[in-house]
Amino acid sequence: DAGITQSPRHKVTETGTPVTLRCHQTENHRYMYWYRQDPGHGLRLIHYSYGVKDTDKGEVSDGYSVSRSKTEDFLLTLESATSSQTSVYFCAIAGTGHTGELFFGEGSRLTVL
Amino acid sequence: GQQVMQIPQYQHVQEGEDFTTYCNSSTTLSNIQWYKQRPGGHPVFLIQLVKSGEVKKQKRLTFQFGEAKKNSSLHITATQTTDVGTYFCASPSGGYQKVTFGTGTKLQVIP
Repeated sequence: DAGITQSPRHKVTETGTPVTLRCHQTENHRYMYWYRQDPGHGLRLIHYSYGVKDTDKGEVSDGYSVSRSKTEDFLLTLESATSSQTSVYFCAIAGTGHTGELFFGEGSRLTVL
Repeated sequence: GQQVMQIPQYQHVQEGEDFTTYCNSSTTLSNIQWYKQRPGGHPVFLIQLVKSGEVKKQKRLTFQFGEAKKNSSLHITATQTTDVGTYFCASPSGGYQKVTFGTGTKLQVIP
Protein backbone atom coordinates (compact mmCIF):
# COMPACT_ATOMS: atom_id res chain seq x y z
CA ASP A 1 0.00 0.00 0.00
CA ALA A 2 1.06 3.55 -0.69
CA GLY A 3 0.74 4.84 2.87
CA ILE A 4 -2.44 6.86 2.44
CA THR A 5 -4.89 7.28 5.28
CA GLN A 6 -8.28 8.91 5.01
CA SER A 7 -10.33 10.07 7.97
CA PRO A 8 -13.05 9.75 8.89
CA ARG A 9 -13.94 6.62 6.95
CA HIS A 10 -17.62 7.09 7.57
CA LYS A 11 -19.58 10.19 8.51
CA VAL A 12 -23.23 11.10 8.73
CA THR A 13 -24.06 14.75 9.03
CA GLU A 14 -26.92 17.15 8.53
CA THR A 15 -27.49 19.66 5.77
CA GLY A 16 -25.80 22.97 6.45
CA THR A 17 -23.06 21.67 8.73
CA PRO A 18 -19.36 21.99 7.87
CA VAL A 19 -17.41 18.83 7.18
CA THR A 20 -13.68 18.28 6.79
CA LEU A 21 -12.14 15.13 5.35
CA ARG A 22 -8.47 14.48 5.87
CA CYS A 23 -6.00 12.70 3.66
CA HIS A 24 -2.62 11.84 5.15
CA GLN A 25 0.29 10.34 3.23
CA THR A 26 3.63 9.04 4.44
CA GLU A 27 5.28 8.91 1.02
CA ASN A 28 6.26 12.56 0.62
CA HIS A 29 4.56 12.73 -2.76
CA ARG A 30 4.06 16.08 -4.38
CA TYR A 31 0.70 15.56 -6.07
CA MET A 32 -2.48 14.81 -4.14
CA TYR A 33 -6.06 14.58 -5.34
CA TRP A 34 -9.63 14.46 -4.08
CA TYR A 35 -12.22 12.58 -6.12
CA ARG A 36 -15.84 11.80 -5.48
CA GLN A 37 -17.48 8.64 -6.73
CA ASP A 38 -21.17 8.37 -7.50
CA PRO A 39 -23.11 5.68 -9.40
CA GLY A 40 -23.14 6.41 -13.10
CA HIS A 41 -20.51 9.15 -12.83
CA GLY A 42 -17.35 7.24 -12.15
CA LEU A 43 -14.61 9.20 -10.41
CA ARG A 44 -14.78 12.97 -10.70
CA LEU A 45 -11.93 15.23 -9.71
CA ILE A 46 -12.82 17.84 -7.08
CA HIS A 47 -9.48 19.53 -6.34
CA TYR A 48 -5.86 18.61 -6.57
CA SER A 49 -2.60 19.88 -5.15
CA TYR A 50 0.85 20.07 -6.71
CA GLY A 51 2.68 21.21 -3.61
CA VAL A 52 2.33 22.88 -0.23
CA LYS A 53 -0.18 25.73 -0.58
CA ASP A 54 -0.51 24.98 -4.31
CA THR A 55 -3.96 23.75 -5.26
CA ASP A 56 -6.26 23.93 -8.25
CA LYS A 57 -9.84 23.09 -9.13
CA GLY A 58 -11.08 19.96 -10.78
CA GLU A 59 -14.29 19.38 -12.68
CA VAL A 60 -16.70 19.44 -9.70
CA SER A 61 -15.17 21.94 -7.29
CA ASP A 62 -18.27 24.00 -6.44
CA GLY A 63 -19.12 23.72 -2.74
CA TYR A 64 -15.68 22.38 -1.82
CA SER A 65 -12.46 23.96 -0.64
CA VAL A 66 -9.08 22.40 0.08
CA SER A 67 -5.95 23.21 1.98
CA ARG A 68 -2.47 21.81 2.04
CA SER A 69 -0.27 23.35 4.71
CA LYS A 70 2.05 20.34 4.92
CA THR A 71 3.25 17.90 2.28
CA GLU A 72 1.64 14.99 4.05
CA ASP A 73 -1.86 16.39 4.61
CA PHE A 74 -4.54 17.41 2.11
CA LEU A 75 -7.84 18.54 3.61
CA LEU A 76 -11.18 18.70 1.83
CA THR A 77 -13.80 20.96 3.39
CA LEU A 78 -17.49 21.23 2.71
CA GLU A 79 -18.35 24.61 4.20
CA SER A 80 -22.09 23.88 4.31
CA ALA A 81 -22.90 20.31 3.38
CA THR A 82 -25.81 19.56 1.05
CA SER A 83 -27.54 16.27 0.27
CA SER A 84 -26.02 16.34 -3.23
CA GLN A 85 -22.63 15.97 -1.59
CA THR A 86 -23.54 12.55 -0.25
CA SER A 87 -20.88 10.41 -1.88
CA VAL A 88 -17.77 8.34 -1.43
CA TYR A 89 -14.68 10.52 -1.41
CA PHE A 90 -11.30 9.16 -2.44
CA CYS A 91 -7.95 10.74 -1.89
CA ALA A 92 -5.11 9.80 -4.21
CA ILE A 93 -1.43 10.52 -4.61
CA ALA A 94 0.60 10.35 -7.80
CA GLY A 95 3.47 7.94 -7.80
CA THR A 96 6.96 9.20 -8.46
CA GLY A 97 7.60 6.60 -11.13
CA HIS A 98 7.56 7.61 -14.79
CA THR A 99 4.06 6.24 -15.25
CA GLY A 100 2.51 8.73 -12.80
CA GLU A 101 -0.05 6.21 -11.66
CA LEU A 102 -2.39 7.15 -8.84
CA PHE A 103 -2.53 5.37 -5.51
CA PHE A 104 -5.85 5.67 -3.73
CA GLY A 105 -6.86 5.75 -0.11
CA GLU A 106 -9.62 3.52 1.24
CA GLY A 107 -12.29 6.16 0.77
CA SER A 108 -14.55 8.18 3.06
CA ARG A 109 -18.28 7.59 2.87
CA LEU A 110 -20.20 10.79 3.62
CA THR A 111 -23.96 10.90 4.09
CA VAL A 112 -25.67 14.28 4.31
CA LEU A 113 -29.20 14.08 5.66
CA GLY B 1 -12.04 20.00 -20.72
CA GLN B 2 -10.84 16.59 -21.68
CA GLN B 3 -13.57 13.94 -21.61
CA VAL B 4 -13.14 10.21 -21.79
CA MET B 5 -16.22 8.15 -22.62
CA GLN B 6 -16.28 4.53 -21.55
CA ILE B 7 -18.59 1.75 -22.76
CA PRO B 8 -20.41 -0.33 -21.84
CA GLN B 9 -21.53 0.89 -18.44
CA TYR B 10 -22.41 -2.63 -17.28
CA GLN B 11 -21.55 -6.09 -18.54
CA HIS B 12 -22.71 -9.46 -17.28
CA VAL B 13 -20.83 -12.47 -18.61
CA GLN B 14 -20.86 -16.17 -17.94
CA GLU B 15 -17.67 -17.38 -16.33
CA GLY B 16 -15.26 -18.39 -19.09
CA GLU B 17 -16.58 -15.86 -21.60
CA ASP B 18 -14.49 -12.96 -22.83
CA PHE B 19 -15.05 -9.32 -21.88
CA THR B 20 -14.04 -6.03 -23.47
CA THR B 21 -14.42 -2.43 -22.33
CA TYR B 22 -13.66 0.58 -24.50
CA CYS B 23 -12.55 4.14 -23.85
CA ASN B 24 -12.94 6.90 -26.40
CA SER B 25 -11.78 10.48 -26.44
CA SER B 26 -12.47 13.32 -28.84
CA THR B 27 -8.95 14.60 -28.30
CA THR B 28 -5.56 12.97 -28.59
CA LEU B 29 -4.41 11.49 -25.31
CA SER B 30 -0.83 11.71 -24.08
CA ASN B 31 -1.24 8.32 -22.44
CA ILE B 32 -3.94 6.21 -20.88
CA GLN B 33 -4.11 4.33 -17.61
CA TRP B 34 -6.36 1.49 -16.53
CA TYR B 35 -7.61 0.82 -13.01
CA LYS B 36 -9.67 -1.90 -11.37
CA GLN B 37 -11.96 -1.35 -8.40
CA ARG B 38 -13.28 -4.38 -6.54
CA PRO B 39 -16.72 -4.05 -4.92
CA GLY B 40 -16.37 -1.98 -1.77
CA GLY B 41 -12.74 -1.23 -2.51
CA HIS B 42 -10.66 1.53 -3.97
CA PRO B 43 -9.28 1.83 -7.52
CA VAL B 44 -6.01 0.03 -8.13
CA PHE B 45 -3.66 0.86 -10.98
CA LEU B 46 -3.27 -1.85 -13.61
CA ILE B 47 -1.21 -0.43 -16.45
CA GLN B 48 -0.30 2.59 -18.52
CA LEU B 49 -0.08 2.81 -22.31
CA VAL B 50 1.93 5.57 -23.93
CA LYS B 51 2.75 4.76 -27.54
CA SER B 52 0.44 4.81 -30.54
CA GLY B 53 -0.80 1.28 -31.29
CA GLU B 54 0.73 -0.09 -28.11
CA VAL B 55 -0.44 -3.49 -26.87
CA LYS B 56 0.38 -4.85 -23.44
CA LYS B 57 -0.63 -8.09 -21.77
CA GLN B 58 -1.00 -9.10 -18.16
CA LYS B 59 -1.92 -12.78 -18.03
CA ARG B 60 -5.52 -12.89 -19.35
CA LEU B 61 -5.77 -9.10 -19.73
CA THR B 62 -4.85 -7.37 -22.99
CA PHE B 63 -4.64 -3.59 -23.20
CA GLN B 64 -4.54 -1.65 -26.45
CA PHE B 65 -3.96 1.99 -27.31
CA GLY B 66 -5.33 3.15 -30.64
CA GLU B 67 -3.17 4.32 -33.50
CA ALA B 68 -4.55 7.85 -33.22
CA LYS B 69 -4.22 7.77 -29.40
CA LYS B 70 -7.89 8.61 -29.03
CA ASN B 71 -9.17 5.25 -27.88
CA SER B 72 -8.17 2.28 -25.81
CA SER B 73 -9.54 -1.10 -24.86
CA LEU B 74 -9.18 -3.70 -22.16
CA HIS B 75 -9.94 -7.29 -23.09
CA ILE B 76 -10.20 -10.12 -20.59
CA THR B 77 -9.99 -13.66 -21.93
CA ALA B 78 -11.93 -16.43 -20.20
CA THR B 79 -13.28 -14.38 -17.32
CA GLN B 80 -13.13 -15.67 -13.77
CA THR B 81 -15.13 -14.65 -10.71
CA THR B 82 -12.03 -12.85 -9.46
CA ASP B 83 -12.39 -10.44 -12.39
CA VAL B 84 -15.57 -8.96 -10.90
CA GLY B 85 -15.33 -5.22 -10.35
CA THR B 86 -15.40 -1.90 -12.12
CA TYR B 87 -12.74 -1.09 -14.69
CA PHE B 88 -11.79 2.51 -15.31
CA CYS B 89 -9.66 4.15 -17.92
CA ALA B 90 -8.00 7.42 -17.03
CA SER B 91 -5.91 9.95 -18.81
CA PRO B 92 -3.58 12.56 -17.35
CA SER B 93 -3.27 16.02 -18.77
CA GLY B 94 -0.99 18.89 -17.94
CA GLY B 95 1.79 16.59 -16.90
CA TYR B 96 0.59 14.61 -13.89
CA GLN B 97 -1.58 17.37 -12.59
CA LYS B 98 -5.07 16.41 -13.73
CA VAL B 99 -6.11 12.81 -14.16
CA THR B 100 -9.56 12.42 -15.71
CA PHE B 101 -11.40 9.14 -15.35
CA GLY B 102 -13.90 7.46 -17.62
CA THR B 103 -17.26 6.52 -16.16
CA GLY B 104 -16.20 2.91 -15.71
CA THR B 105 -17.50 -0.48 -16.79
CA LYS B 106 -18.95 -2.67 -14.07
CA LEU B 107 -18.25 -6.34 -14.77
CA GLN B 108 -20.32 -9.09 -13.22
CA VAL B 109 -19.23 -12.70 -13.77
CA ILE B 110 -21.86 -15.38 -13.39
CA PRO B 111 -20.40 -18.67 -12.12
